[in-house]
Amino acid sequence: EAQVTQNPRYLITVTGKKLTVTCSQNMNHEYMSWYRQDPGLGLRQIYYSMNVEVTDKGDVPEGYKVSRKEKRNFPLILESPSPNQTSLYFCASSFLLAGLYNEQFFGPGTRLTVL
Amino acid sequence: GQQLNQSPQSMFIQEGEDVSMNCTSSSIFNTWLWYKQEPGEGPVLLIALYKAGELTSNGRLTAQFGITRKDSFLNISASIPSDVGIYFCAGPSQGGSEKLVFGKGTKLTVNP
Repeated sequence: EAQVTQNPRYLITVTGKKLTVTCSQNMNHEYMSWYRQDPGLGLRQIYYSMNVEVTDKGDVPEGYKVSRKEKRNFPLILESPSPNQTSLYFCASSFLLAGLYNEQFFGPGTRLTVL
Repeated sequence: GQQLNQSPQSMFIQEGEDVSMNCTSSSIFNTWLWYKQEPGEGPVLLIALYKAGELTSNGRLTAQFGITRKDSFLNISASIPSDVGIYFCAGPSQGGSEKLVFGKGTKLTVNP
């Protein structure tokens, strides 16, 4: 089944304790992206990647890191989490075909709480 | 930066009623997208619009790409309980077709 998977789905942690949220897709998509969703703010892009070893900042990159060593994986790293990073996180992926919009497929989300 | 203003923020309706929501922007979009997010899930694409004036249906859902390219509308006819969720409009950022700008969403509640 074509899908985007994220792990963990739920995580409660404490300030300063490094964590990684994994994202994997099995559709051979070039493009991958991380969003955070907060009440009243919609979805905001954190980082994105257009291919292996190519990453770039989105609208709210502060406090996050990403890597793209393999095409299928795009982990989100919080080196020193803070309470303002408590949020619902989504990974998404798509093809990068020229022309019409390429549908982004979203993972099921990771709910992170930083105490 | 580009912003999408979505309204209403929330709607509480009775099963069987029709629903209408809209999205506006101060800048032009060449593609308009409507996503639905069900509780506990990620957003799923409902309808994509590529041409000004375009009217596209997907079952009971109908969306329109505004003539000015600065707005879009989503209508749901004869709502049912499984229509519950958050509906987002979105469009590709001017900086690149892959980067999406999202509205803040319309939360729909349907009472049986």
